[in-house]
Amino acid sequence: NAGVTQTPKFRVLKTGQSMTLLCAQDMNHEYMYWYRQDPGMGLRLIHYSVGEGTTAKGEVPDGYNVSRLKKQNFLLGLESAAPSQTSVYFCASSYIAATYGYTFGSGTRLTVV
Amino acid sequence: GIQVEQSPPDLILQEGANSTLRCNFSDSVNNLQWFHQNPWGQLINLFYIPSGTKQNGRLSATTVATERYSLLYISSSQTTDSGVYFCAVAIMDSNYQLIWGAGTKLIIKP
Repeated sequence: NAGVTQTPKFRVLKTGQSMTLLCAQDMNHEYMYWYRQDPGMGLRLIHYSVGEGTTAKGEVPDGYNVSRLKKQNFLLGLESAAPSQTSVYFCASSYIAATYGYTFGSGTRLTVV
Repeated sequence: GIQVEQSPPDLILQEGANSTLRCNFSDSVNNLQWFHQNPWGQLINLFYIPSGTKQNGRLSATTVATERYSLLYISSSQTTDSGVYFCAVAIMDSNYQLIWGAGTKLIIKP
């Protein structure tokens, strides 16, 4: 099925461990985004990419790194996980910057203990 | 930075009722979208509506950009309409960064 696929769906990390979240889209979208969602809040933008090989910081980038080596993939890395990074992470993509056609993955629930 | 406020924060209705959700924003925007997050967490884009009125089935939305608000109307509510409705805007000089409201949690009772 066409869309945005996130892996893994769930993960528990110990403080200080590292991990990479993978986002893959098959809609040939130029723009990709990583968000985090905390209880009772809207989404907050972590990093985004406007095309292959580009990345930029969003609203809450500290503690995260990203890479977009291929147009269809956008990776989010946590180098040294902290309990404050416990959250649900959503990847999204769009054909035109932040306009209609904005498609989300199903989310990754990350717990840092 | 721009503030996005949604009201009401919570809404409980019987099936068949109509509802109006509001989104106020504090600065000029060139992009406004409505999203629905179902009880399982999936986010779906409902409308891209920087101005004017759009309708899609039982849902419609109106944005009055000059007065800095948008309304989402749901008619003849069904239990599948339950979830959280988010409004998100992008400011004039950065069309990439959507700023999200805290959402309206809607519960439709059968």
